[in-house]
Amino acid sequence: KQEVTQIPAALSVPEGENLVLNCSFTDSAIYNLQWFRQDPGKGLTSLLLIQSSQREQTSGRLNASLDKSSGRSTLYIAASQPGDSATYLCAADNAGKSTFGDGTTLTVKP
Amino acid sequence: NAGVTQTPKFQVLKTGQSMTLQCAQDMNHNSMYWYRQDPGMGLRLIYYSASEGTTDKGEVPNGYNVSRLNKREFSLRLESAAPSQTSVYFCASSERTGRKGGYTFGSGTRLTVV
Repeated sequence: KQEVTQIPAALSVPEGENLVLNCSFTDSAIYNLQWFRQDPGKGLTSLLLIQSSQREQTSGRLNASLDKSSGRSTLYIAASQPGDSATYLCAADNAGKSTFGDGTTLTVKP
Repeated sequence: NAGVTQTPKFQVLKTGQSMTLQCAQDMNHNSMYWYRQDPGMGLRLIYYSASEGTTDKGEVPNGYNVSRLNKREFSLRLESAAPSQTSVYFCASSERTGRKGGYTFGSGTRLTVV
């Protein structure tokens, strides 16, 4: 059974810092790994999707990497802004079903 | 550009009442999913439908039933609501051609059972 862990559970940084969020998974036979953002009381918004054959994906200030052999993915956020404050979740997809981590709640202080 | 639409957004039920949560997607995705999200327990899969005409149980199916009405619509029914079913419910869809994937989520239904 796939298990997905996100550490730390919460992170607080000053505005402008570069930061890395971590996601680890136990079953490396994944189809893809997806990063989401969730604002309080809202749904999940997809940020980046990395297929199993890829090593990384980039969108604006976000860069996600995938290392299947070590069971790890990272989400790098450059030059953080207060508007980046949210909970970030990763999801590992095994044969059509995704397992979600519990998320990292990020607070960017002005 | 609607994506995944869920109705209703909020609902309060009395214990024992029944209701159906509706979900529709306009992206021509094959697969659809129902999750519940609870504080401290993360997102848990209730039921999913890999393709039109099929449904399968997820991690927490007890107390729920689903119907894949057509390719666009996937409904979740609570036959006799219990306080333990108080949660936020999310519907999601995904393209399952080959190994392509990636989920698109609806905005959620916040359900309270009293």
